Amino acid sequence: DQQVKQNSPSLSVQEGRISILNCDYTNSMFDYFLWYKKYPAEGPTFLISISSIKDKNEDGRFTVFLNKSAKHLSLHIVPSQPGDSAVYFCAGGTSYGKLTFGQGTILTVHP
Amino acid sequence: NAGVTQTPKFQVLKTGQSMTLQCAQDMNHNSMYWYRQDPGMGLRLIYYSASEGTTDKGEVPNGYNVSRLNKREFSLRLESAAPSQTSVYFCASSEVGSSYEQYFGPGTRLTVT
Repeated sequence: DQQVKQNSPSLSVQEGRISILNCDYTNSMFDYFLWYKKYPAEGPTFLISISSIKDKNEDGRFTVFLNKSAKHLSLHIVPSQPGDSAVYFCAGGTSYGKLTFGQGTILTVHP
Repeated sequence: NAGVTQTPKFQVLKTGQSMTLQCAQDMNHNSMYWYRQDPGMGLRLIYYSASEGTTDKGEVPNGYNVSRLNKREFSLRLESAAPSQTSVYFCASSEVGSSYEQYFGPGTRLTVT
């Protein structure tokens, strides 16, 4: 039972355009949702989070949207930059801070 | 501040050998975690420790044991390595609060032949 799913293995975007990464979940008990970014040979780094009681959170070029009725969240990156090229993981958080991760989406931003 | 450190960075084992992966954090976090990352599977939780002196199983604990040595250190042991344990292992720590943000180490790439 995959509680968090990222159905797009990869996404290719032109520099300066918007990148939209999607994530679906099945567990209604998640209190928080987080996005992590991962470069090759490095550990994941935290990008942005959103509480389950909110529908939007913005931090600079990054915005996360949460649609609880659809059990769907998305990460918008505007404008996209070549340095944003990485693997992006979404995760749902429950008690004790345990996170359940999606499979990841490889984002490639072309100059 | 080193954050979360992991040793070794790379390891090759033969089937049946044992080893311990070490993890330490200097952020005074109460909670620590071990994950494995496999292609197409994301990160899966092996074990976690909500606080010093406690450990609990995650999603994929079989074949592993852990020790929370003190507040800083959390080790993962493979008693008898199997090829299915070939993976990249990440340690993470967090201070459970309002956002569940976890800080990850650089990972250990383990190959079992």
